[in-house]
Amino acid sequence: AQSVAQPEDQVNVAEGNPLTVKCTYSVSGNPYLFWYVQYPNRGLQFLLKYITGDNLVKGSYGFEAEFNKSQTSFHLKKPSALVSDSALYFCAVRDDYKLSFGAGTTVTVRA
Amino acid sequence: NAGVTQTPKFQVLKTGQSMTLQCAQDMNHNSMYWYRQDPGMGLRLIYYSASEGTTDKGEVPNGYNVSRLNKREFSLRLESAAPSQTSVYFCAGGVVGEQYFGPGTRLTVT
Repeated sequence: AQSVAQPEDQVNVAEGNPLTVKCTYSVSGNPYLFWYVQYPNRGLQFLLKYITGDNLVKGSYGFEAEFNKSQTSFHLKKPSALVSDSALYFCAVRDDYKLSFGAGTTVTVRA
Repeated sequence: NAGVTQTPKFQVLKTGQSMTLQCAQDMNHNSMYWYRQDPGMGLRLIYYSASEGTTDKGEVPNGYNVSRLNKREFSLRLESAAPSQTSVYFCAGGVVGEQYFGPGTRLTVT
C-alpha cells in the first residue's frame, strides 16, 4: 500500500519567514502526491498536486512543493508565511481508488 | 454554487441510536466519498461511490452503510451508534486526487 508520513506534528514560524511542512512517501511505482489545507472548523481544501513533470509544483495561496525522488520527499513550502496560513496541513498519496492521508501538521504563524 | 453541503453540522447520539448524515454536491462530480477524521490519524475513507448507483467499502466501513441516491446525493447511515464512532465526518466530491470537501459533521456518541 502507498503511504505518506508527516514527521512533524507542529511547525511554528514568524510571519514573513519561510515556511516548510515536511512529507515523505512510500510507494511502489510512480507517486501521485497531494497537499491539502484545513482551516479551523472547515473541510479540507486542495492546494496542489504532483503527477509527473517538473519537480517544483506551484499551487494555491502562494504555496509550492518540491518533489525529490532520491529522498522520497514532497515538502510544502512558502517563501514568506502569513498569519492567515495558520492551519492544519495534510500530505496525501493516491493509493488505487483512494487517497491515503498523513496525520497532519499544525502550522502556527505568529505575528 | 454551494459546492458540497452536509447536514447536520453537529449531532449527539446515545449508544445504539441510529442516524443518517446527508451530503449533496452541485459540482456534477461522478465520484463522492465519506471520511472520518480523528486526532492524529488524518482522514480515513469509510465508503466511496465512483458513480451513481455504485458504492464500495473504504478503509473503515464497519458500522456504516451508504446510499448514492442520485448523482448529487450520498448519505451515510449509522445503524447502531457506538462511542468509537465519535468523530468528525466529511463528505467530498471530485476525482481521486482533487476532492472538494464539505464543512463536516461533528458527531458525539455517549
